Amino acid sequence: GDSVTQMEGPVTLSEEAFLTINCTYTATGYPSLFWYVQYPGEGLQLLLKATKADDKGSNKGFEATYRKETTSFHLEKGSVQVSDSAVYFCALSDQGAQKLVFGQGTRLTINP
Amino acid sequence: DSGVTQTPKHLITATGQRVTLRCSPRSGDLSVYWYQQSLDQGLQFLIQYYNGEERAKGNILERFSAQQFPDLHSELNLSSLELGDSALYFCASSVGAGANYEQYFGPGTRLTVT
Repeated sequence: GDSVTQMEGPVTLSEEAFLTINCTYTATGYPSLFWYVQYPGEGLQLLLKATKADDKGSNKGFEATYRKETTSFHLEKGSVQVSDSAVYFCALSDQGAQKLVFGQGTRLTINP
Repeated sequence: DSGVTQTPKHLITATGQRVTLRCSPRSGDLSVYWYQQSLDQGLQFLIQYYNGEERAKGNILERFSAQQFPDLHSELNLSSLELGDSALYFCASSVGAGANYEQYFGPGTRLTVT
């Protein structure tokens, strides 16, 4: 079945550092890909998405590019802030399915 | 605030009991999804309803059931509770039922089974 694998956490960085969180997927067909963020005590919020190969999703300084050849959707940000501390989830939704399949989540902590 | 509301926020109950979790979708959204988030299983899709009808089923146990009412709110019923059912249960809603409709998540209900 479909699956998503994220890099192991937790990840701890200093403010203004460059961030990469790796995400790879396995799916039949052509899934849509998503990054969700979960702040402490809150539900998940959609951060960005891409619906076809070579699409780049971006929001709040975060970017991810849908790479079909490497089945990847890595999340990047050039300069992180303390407020970016949260758990980040990579997810896919297959065209024929209604559900989201999530990776295990990566906890990110940014120190001032 | 996503516009999706869930009640209660916290629930503590004993093994063998039955509980009902409630979700109100965003205004205008017809689709409701239920997800379970636990430490060992991560975030897993349970079930989806669209305009009152079941649309998709995931890893939902037979002890669990759900429904969506005419006013579009949804309830997830968990019965014969076990310690392993302790988790955060999220509801999400979207306008449509397809893969490309954005899902908006509620704040979750934390269930603790003792």
